[in-house]
Amino acid sequence: RKEVEQDPGPFNVPEGATVAFNCTYSNSASQSFFWYRQDCRKEPKLLMSVYSSGNEDGRFTAQLNRASQYISLLIRDSKLSDSATYLCVVRGGGGNKLTFGTGTQLKVEL
Amino acid sequence: DVKVTQSSRYLVKRTGEKVFLECVQDMDHENMFWYRQDPGLGLRLIYFSYDVKMKEKGDIPEGYSVSREKKERFSLILESASTNQTSMYLCASSTRTGGNYGYTFGSGTRLTVV
Repeated sequence: RKEVEQDPGPFNVPEGATVAFNCTYSNSASQSFFWYRQDCRKEPKLLMSVYSSGNEDGRFTAQLNRASQYISLLIRDSKLSDSATYLCVVRGGGGNKLTFGTGTQLKVEL
Repeated sequence: DVKVTQSSRYLVKRTGEKVFLECVQDMDHENMFWYRQDPGLGLRLIYFSYDVKMKEKGDIPEGYSVSREKKERFSLILESASTNQTSMYLCASSTRTGGNYGYTFGSGTRLTVV
């Protein structure tokens, strides 16, 4: 079983739609959680950290369910510029190594 | 802003060549990492370093070595390049507790081995 699993997509949605991505992780001792965004042929960039209480940044909301080992990202009012691959990222029980999911591709269309 | 700079954006090398990929960060970060990214496989950790002259193997170290002689510089070495090392290579850095805040990545080196 992969340490971090994501649906690869692609998710094709119209502009203005709400879209949700999910991610599961296998290590119950994981301590930190992130969503990264990666544009085509570019490097990954940190989108937001994910906290147990849930957190919001503008149109983006991230949730963590430790009991189910599940992380989600909700994007409201999708923009064309949101088209990218979204990577779910987890820090394990020790050290500073991050483990990346393979990403979920989002395409926002007119 | 933290800047992580990789020396080459695109590189083409021949099978059997020794290849050096350089990475420099300007924010005095303790931790540095080398990943490769392949379609369907995501980012896989090759090597990492928590301090000068220190290195640790990641998940796929075979065929690679690293060097960290100065805090700001972390080099990835392909001892004898092979076609299955054609990939996108990404360098990243973080503070000592960077696992809490994520990493900053360089813009990547797309290596083709022919």
